[in-house]
Amino acid sequence: DSGVTQTPKHLITATGQRVTLRCSPRSGDLSVYWYQQSLDQGLQFLIHYYNGEERAKGNILERFSAQQFPDLHSELNLSSLELGDSALYFCASSVDPGRNTEAFFGQGTRLTVV
Amino acid sequence: DQQVKQNSPSLSVQEGRISILNCDYTNSMFDYFLWYKKYPAEGPTFLISISSIKDKNEDGRFTVFLNKSAKHLSLHIVPSQPGDSAVYFCAARDYYSGNTGKLIFGQGTTLQVKP
Repeated sequence: DSGVTQTPKHLITATGQRVTLRCSPRSGDLSVYWYQQSLDQGLQFLIHYYNGEERAKGNILERFSAQQFPDLHSELNLSSLELGDSALYFCASSVDPGRNTEAFFGQGTRLTVV
Repeated sequence: DQQVKQNSPSLSVQEGRISILNCDYTNSMFDYFLWYKKYPAEGPTFLISISSIKDKNEDGRFTVFLNKSAKHLSLHIVPSQPGDSAVYFCAARDYYSGNTGKLIFGQGTTLQVKP
């Protein structure tokens, strides 16, 4: 158990809909990262939040947005969903982005858009 | 532009032998490198890491080698065990370009260790 909790584990929804994925980081970790893994590809970085503030953005679509709340949990919102958005979405957390320590990953949310 | 590449999609080795997984990168600003292991239906699990100021790091059966001049990273597992069968991802961090710990991942190598 990495200590990072993601809900839900599975999500099936229709095209055009909006969903929210939730992530609770490890206790004490201030950084939350979101990654997308499509069809046996590598993990693609989406966005990084540090202590409530956006720190870095990757190739995140405009239809996607995220936030980190005062209790440090994070939500990834995906809207106007398309078939191609079907993927595994991982959240990871770390204590300090500059420290040479690993990021811990949750078990992921498998999103299926039909 | 793929900054981190794992050119071997799969690798099969016999139990007890050495497994060598390779990774190449293009960004000379990467300052920290990690290997993660992933089983189906689970999140990636950290395995071992190395700072860009070192050329080797060892942890039990796992050793990571970094060749900065060649921009090449490798993970050695010896002896290999059937439980090591998983997908292995190489990842790199460029902290100083934005004060972020975001990781750039390779596509992964599926390791199969045969009993």
